[in-house]
Amino acid sequence: SAVISQKPSRDICQRGTSLTIQCQVDSQVTMMFWYRQQPGQSLTLIATANQGSEATYESGFVIDKFPISRPNLTFSTLTVSNMSPEDSSIYLCSVDGTGRIGTQYFGPGTRLLVL
Amino acid sequence: AQKVTQAQTEISVVEKEDVTLDCVYETRDTTYYLFWYKQPPSGELVFLIRRNSFDEQNEISGRYSWNFQKSTSSFNFTITASQVVDSAVYFCALSEKIIQGAQKLVFGQGTRLTINP
Repeated sequence: SAVISQKPSRDICQRGTSLTIQCQVDSQVTMMFWYRQQPGQSLTLIATANQGSEATYESGFVIDKFPISRPNLTFSTLTVSNMSPEDSSIYLCSVDGTGRIGTQYFGPGTRLLVL
Repeated sequence: AQKVTQAQTEISVVEKEDVTLDCVYETRDTTYYLFWYKQPPSGELVFLIRRNSFDEQNEISGRYSWNFQKSTSSFNFTITASQVVDSAVYFCALSEKIIQGAQKLVFGQGTRLTINP
């Protein structure tokens, strides 16, 4: 499986500010995914990022709030914009498992607390 | 739309007991994949197993076993002789086709498993 890293691992931010989360993979992957896990909750897909095209957002998530970049096959960023305390969550990136359709491997996550 | 239900929110057992985590799913797809992931206190999601909808054979990996029954749309996970290190939140997930042949995962609410020494 791919080795995935995320930066930062955690952060405490003030409301109204923005935070960009980086996701780096040690091999080229087609699809990268961004999930949100609110406290004590399950994972919800924010968007799917395919290299060279606009990210595809799930219902309830918009590009203005969660802009995503995918400049190459090993890297992606997710920005949480104009943060409020409701954005306090773990944000996880994941990648397709090569040769194992549907399988996703996850990064360690970014724990975000918004005050 | 796809849906995954994990009715057990929390389970607590004593070490060495066997424990089964239930997972029931809904899908209109004829081909799909089911998964179990483990999330220890560190927060990272660890892949445990993938099951193809055409393969109903049960699978065993060490102390872990999985029972897939298409007739009841269930994919249950059993830990035999549980250990304290098994304490984690376990998520069942179902694939859903999205763009360009990619699959996204729809997760259940998770079951928090606590193994007491």
